[in-house]
Amino acid sequence: GQQVMQIPQYQHVQEGEDFTTYCNSSTTLSNIQWYKQRPGGHPVFLIQLVKSGEVKKQKRLTFQFGEAKKNSSLHITATQTTDVGTYFCAGPTSGGSYIPTFGRGTSLIVHP
Amino acid sequence: NAGVTQTPKFQVLKTGQSMTLQCAQDMNHEYMSWYRQDPGMGLRLIHYSVGAGITDQGEVPNGYNVSRSTTEDFPLRLLSAAPSQTSVYFCASSYSHRANQPQHFGDGTRLSIL
Repeated sequence: GQQVMQIPQYQHVQEGEDFTTYCNSSTTLSNIQWYKQRPGGHPVFLIQLVKSGEVKKQKRLTFQFGEAKKNSSLHITATQTTDVGTYFCAGPTSGGSYIPTFGRGTSLIVHP
Repeated sequence: NAGVTQTPKFQVLKTGQSMTLQCAQDMNHEYMSWYRQDPGMGLRLIHYSVGAGITDQGEVPNGYNVSRSTTEDFPLRLLSAAPSQTSVYFCASSYSHRANQPQHFGDGTRLSIL
């Protein structure tokens, strides 16, 4: 089964509202990656977090890696219609390899 | 630079037919993988390869075969198609499985089994 659990599955927001998706693991992750998939498209790599407590920003997107390296979040400030899509987190499979296992994703729907 | 190329983009099969989904990358990536994406299920790993001549099973390998005779190509074979294999299939590659590397995805193959 999935190593990483992602919530919520769907999120409807009005344009301009904030959005957050969460990724949780029962085991410590060596790293976590985030991807975005536009409707009808393919997943595109956004960012990778490696260090405990790490915070990275990309314009309106803020990515955090928990202190225990078991959880991560993606926060979007003041959503725009261009943010529509599904956001996936991915962590390495257990056993120490770097082969990624993806969460089920959070689909963001932005209403204008 | 083409990246990861998947063919075909769309395919309709009848139950019991066989077919091969093609995947090629021109980035000299060591690691390649196949995922299937179903509504609400995210991306599930079917098979992966850490280099030419080496393949291994992922989370949902039943009904699929792979081979990796060259670094560039990683075809996925459906031996006897079943309606449960109706899905969107993505091929992905990365520089190496031995380090944290971003995955590069192809555009996907949308497969319907009747």
